[in-house]
Amino acid sequence: DGGITQSPKYLFRKEGQNVTLSCEQNLNHDAMYWYRQDPGQGLRLIYYSQIVNDFQKGDIAEGYSVSREKKESFPLTVTSAQKNPTAFYLCASSSAGGGWETQYFGPGTRLLVL
Amino acid sequence: QQQVKQSPQSLIVQKGGISIINCAYENTAFDYFPWYQQFPGKGPALLIAIRPDVSEKKEGRFTISFNKSAKQFSLHIMDSQPGDSATYFCAATSTGYSTLTFGKGTMLLVSP
Repeated sequence: DGGITQSPKYLFRKEGQNVTLSCEQNLNHDAMYWYRQDPGQGLRLIYYSQIVNDFQKGDIAEGYSVSREKKESFPLTVTSAQKNPTAFYLCASSSAGGGWETQYFGPGTRLLVL
Repeated sequence: QQQVKQSPQSLIVQKGGISIINCAYENTAFDYFPWYQQFPGKGPALLIAIRPDVSEKKEGRFTISFNKSAKQFSLHIMDSQPGDSATYFCAATSTGYSTLTFGKGTMLLVSP
């Protein structure tokens, strides 16, 4: 089965802690994206990557970091600098880096702060 | 990129009725307008998309209407079914852009 997997489904963060959300795809897609979803706020872009070893900030990158060492993987770290991390995080990929390419989304990770 | 404004925020429609969701944009460079459908607890999935060279695109019960001069586009769901209950996001982008700009979403509930 081709697709995007995100883990864990639920993640709990303590104050001052960094946490990492996993995103893996086996679609052989070049581009990958991280979005944050809050009620009534739509999908806001955190980071995106069009090619391995390269990534760009989205609209709300502060308090987050990413890496793209492998084509299949695009982990997102929520750092302690992100003061309001509680949200639903969605990873997506597309075959190429153009906005017109269909984006395929993973099932999401819900992050909660203890 | 500039924002895409979506309305209404929520919508309740009776089974068999027509659901209409509207979006407006400002950036005249936008030339691709997809709609994504998201069920609770799941990631969104592409539902239907349109380019501005046509004014309407239909796929089954789902139709996008596009008004280039007004910079507006809308999603019509004919014969709405309870299984259509989901959150719908419009989006826009340009051929030269790397990312999509999403609207804030419309939560649709189709009552049996």
